[in-house]
Amino acid sequence: AQSVTQLDSHVSVSEGTPVLLRCNYSSSYSPSLFWYVQHPNKGLQLLLKYTSAATLVKGINGFEAEFKKSETSFHLTKPSAHMSDAAEYFCVVSDPQAGTALIFGKGTTLSVSS
Amino acid sequence: DTGVSQDPRHKITKRGQNVTFRCDPISEHNRLYWYRQTLGQGPEFLTYFQNEAQLEKSRLLSDRFSAERPKGSFSTLEIQRTEQGDSAMYLCASIPESSYNEQFFGPGTRLTVL
Repeated sequence: AQSVTQLDSHVSVSEGTPVLLRCNYSSSYSPSLFWYVQHPNKGLQLLLKYTSAATLVKGINGFEAEFKKSETSFHLTKPSAHMSDAAEYFCVVSDPQAGTALIFGKGTTLSVSS
Repeated sequence: DTGVSQDPRHKITKRGQNVTFRCDPISEHNRLYWYRQTLGQGPEFLTYFQNEAQLEKSRLLSDRFSAERPKGSFSTLEIQRTEQGDSAMYLCASIPESSYNEQFFGPGTRLTVL
C-alpha cells in the first residue's frame, strides 16, 4: 500500500536561510511524487513533480526536490527562504497500479521569520 | 479564469440538513476527483469520475454521500443528514486523460456543521 510520511509537522526558518522539508514514501511500484503548497484561503498549487525522469527536480519559486529510491525519500529544499514561502506543504505520492488518486502526507507548516 | 471552480466557497448548516456542492473542472479534463481535508490533515480521496462514470469510491464515502457527473462536465457532491464530523474542506481536482500526473485543484468548499 502507498503511504507518505512527512517527518516534521512544523518547520521554522529565518528569511534568507535554507529550507528543508522532509518526506518519506512507501510504494510497491514506481511512484510519481509531488510537492503541493497551500496558502491560507487558497487552493493547492503544484510546486514540482517527479515522474521517473531526472532524480533532481526543479520547481517553481526556487524549490527543488531530490528523489532517492534507496532511502525512499523525496525531500523539498530551497536555498533561501522568503517571507512569502510561509504556507502548508504537502508531499504526495501517486501509484498508477494502485489507483489514480493522490495520497497526501499530513503536511508541514513552514513559518518564515524576518 | 480557466481553472477549477467550486461553489459555494463556504457553507454553514445545521446538523441533519442536506447540502450540495458543485465543481466545474477545467474544460476538456475528463477526469474529476473529490477529496476531503479536515483540520491539520492532508486531503483524503473520496471519489473519482472518468467522464460521467464514477470509477472509484473510498470507504470514507458513507451512504450519506453521493456524487454525480451527469454529462461528464460539472460534478455535484451531496451530503445527506449532515453530522458535525462532516465539517471539513471539500476539494475538487481535474486532470486530462492524457496525464497520470498533476491534478489541478479548485479552491474548495468549506463546510461547517453546527
